[in-house]
Amino acid sequence: QKEVEQDPGPLSVPEGAIVSLNCTYSNSAFQYFMWYRQYSRKGPELLMYTYSSGNKEDGRFTAQVDKSSKYISLFIRDSQPSDSATYLCAMTSNTGNQFYFGTGTSLTVIP
Amino acid sequence: GAVVSQHPSRVICKSGTSVKIECRSLDFQATTMFWYRQFPKKSLMLMATSNEGSKATYEQGVEKDKFLINHASLTLSTLTVTSAHPEDSSFYICSALTSGRGVQETQYFGPGTRLLVL
Repeated sequence: QKEVEQDPGPLSVPEGAIVSLNCTYSNSAFQYFMWYRQYSRKGPELLMYTYSSGNKEDGRFTAQVDKSSKYISLFIRDSQPSDSATYLCAMTSNTGNQFYFGTGTSLTVIP
Repeated sequence: GAVVSQHPSRVICKSGTSVKIECRSLDFQATTMFWYRQFPKKSLMLMATSNEGSKATYEQGVEKDKFLINHASLTLSTLTVTSAHPEDSSFYICSALTSGRGVQETQYFGPGTRLLVL
């Protein structure tokens, strides 16, 4: 079983839709959870960073962590064509040096 | 947020030559940097973990004599692809791990280097 599972998509939504991206994981030691956005031919850009369970909101983006279910989500409200990218989840434990990435979900927002 | 640069952004070289890629953390010190390789439409593949002042730790299947990593300072790590061959053509991305009081410890990525070996 992989440490982190992420549906690769592709996911295609109309502009203005709410997008839900998800990852599941198997290691209960993971405490830090990240979402990265990667545009084509660019390096990943850190979008959201959360510690332990709960929600974190930043503008149109909301990250949720449910440690009891080992499930994390990224919600994008009022999606824009500029949100079209690949979204990677990542996580690590308290020791911090080993990070585990999802395979990435490709999102296209259609104008 | 923290900024990581990579140089060059793109390189084309002949088979058999060596190519050096630099990764710099511009506004923070990074004891640990990571090197990844990414094929088109695929996820990141960790190649090695680079620690300042010590030898890099390579992932299984990555040839350490082929991919030389040097982390000589807290802001610079280099990856040298030695005797490059067409199968080494790929997108190479570095990241730097932030650490220290008051700073979220996570990875910040460079913009990537696209290597094409002819």
